[in-house]
Amino acid sequence: NAGVMQNPRHLVRRRGQEARLRCSPMKGHSHVYWYRQLPEEGLKFMVYLQKENIIDESGMPKERFSAEFPKEGPSILRIQQVVRGDSAAYFCASSRDSPGQGTQPQHFGDGTRLSIL
Amino acid sequence: GQQLNQSPQSMFIQEGEDVSMNCTSSSIFNTWLWYKQDPGEGPVLLIALYKAGELTSNGRLTAQFGITRKDSFLNISASIPSDVGIYFCAGPNTGNQFYFGTGTSLTVIP
Repeated sequence: NAGVMQNPRHLVRRRGQEARLRCSPMKGHSHVYWYRQLPEEGLKFMVYLQKENIIDESGMPKERFSAEFPKEGPSILRIQQVVRGDSAAYFCASSRDSPGQGTQPQHFGDGTRLSIL
Repeated sequence: GQQLNQSPQSMFIQEGEDVSMNCTSSSIFNTWLWYKQDPGEGPVLLIALYKAGELTSNGRLTAQFGITRKDSFLNISASIPSDVGIYFCAGPNTGNQFYFGTGTSLTVIP
């Protein structure tokens, strides 16, 4: 399966712990996006990364949240000191081109469902 | 920020009926994408549109890129139970973000 791979599919954390969500983009894709989705709602953009660079993090909370996409390995979305309100589904998507070029759409992984106890 | 409004918000239809939903934007898009999301899954790309006025089909699905470049339509013909899910429109702005619509939830009654 050459699609976008996210793991884990489900993650349970206690308040105050750290959550690490991983995303491996499709082969040949160097643009990665993270979205958050609450039940019965649409996808909310969080951050856009290209290899080793954060291009746009305007949708990501300034505190406790960080993202990286290293030269080697998957993209990581990290949430420190989790709180109950962080419970959501977090989706990763990848594309071959940047959004402004518009020639290749985003393809999504199946998400990580984060539950905070 | 950018907003994509989808309508209707939800639909309940009988199996075999045709479905129409649309998406409008407050600004111009150069690309329109339609995704379907099943419960517990990630969105799956259905159709991508790249030119104003373009009409594209994928099986029983047909989508159109509005002439004004501020709207798009998705039609599903002869609906079947597996069409159940949430349909999202999406598009990139000229910068770095993809915007997603508010979603249309489709229920097909056998």
